[in-house]
Amino acid sequence: EAEVAQSPRYKITEKSQAVAFWCDPISGHATLYWYRQILGQGPELLVQFQDESVVDDSQLPKDRFSAERLKGVDSTLKIQPAELGDSAMYLCASSPQGVNTGELFFGEGSRLTVL
Amino acid sequence: AQSVTQLDSHVSVSEGTPVLLRCNYSSSYSPSLFWYVQHPNKGLQLLLKYTSAATLVKGINGFEAEFKKSETSFHLTKPSAHMSDAAEYFCVVSVGSQGNLIFGKGTKLSVKP
Repeated sequence: EAEVAQSPRYKITEKSQAVAFWCDPISGHATLYWYRQILGQGPELLVQFQDESVVDDSQLPKDRFSAERLKGVDSTLKIQPAELGDSAMYLCASSPQGVNTGELFFGEGSRLTVL
Repeated sequence: AQSVTQLDSHVSVSEGTPVLLRCNYSSSYSPSLFWYVQHPNKGLQLLLKYTSAATLVKGINGFEAEFKKSETSFHLTKPSAHMSDAAEYFCVVSVGSQGNLIFGKGTKLSVKP
């Protein structure tokens, strides 16, 4: 069964350091999402891609966060510099192109701890 | 603005007893609503979805939810809990032309033997 792959699963870093997360969506899925899930809360959308284009990054803290999906396949989310409040689970999800059914396929997430 | 409120942060039931996870929504028009489940150390998985067809929606693993416009509710139920149902459940509403998902804060379901 096809899955969304994310790495690393766990990352511990010190504040002010740079961090990067990688996501490989299900093959053929044109839409890719990055969500942040703070402990005890529901996921919140950071950025949405349609192929290689950003369609929504209104909630992305652009002073320190960046995301790219250069070839419209896999994606990288970067944080520089990391702050204590960035400790969270970073979830990647994908969905097929042209399908707005609300069914997103999620990876297992990358848990970030900032010390 | 559209939103969802999950009324219980934690629900505990005994195996074999019914499950009720409550969700109220706020929307200016007919919403698309979903329930997602997150097992420990696993990705979120869609349980079921309501998109203005039948008000009683059946999902995977024996779960179902009923859309009640008069009560602005979309509660999740299951007749008989199983140990494997222990997980976190999220009520979700879809907003905007891109169909972005707004998640509730989640309800943690514990199942006692």
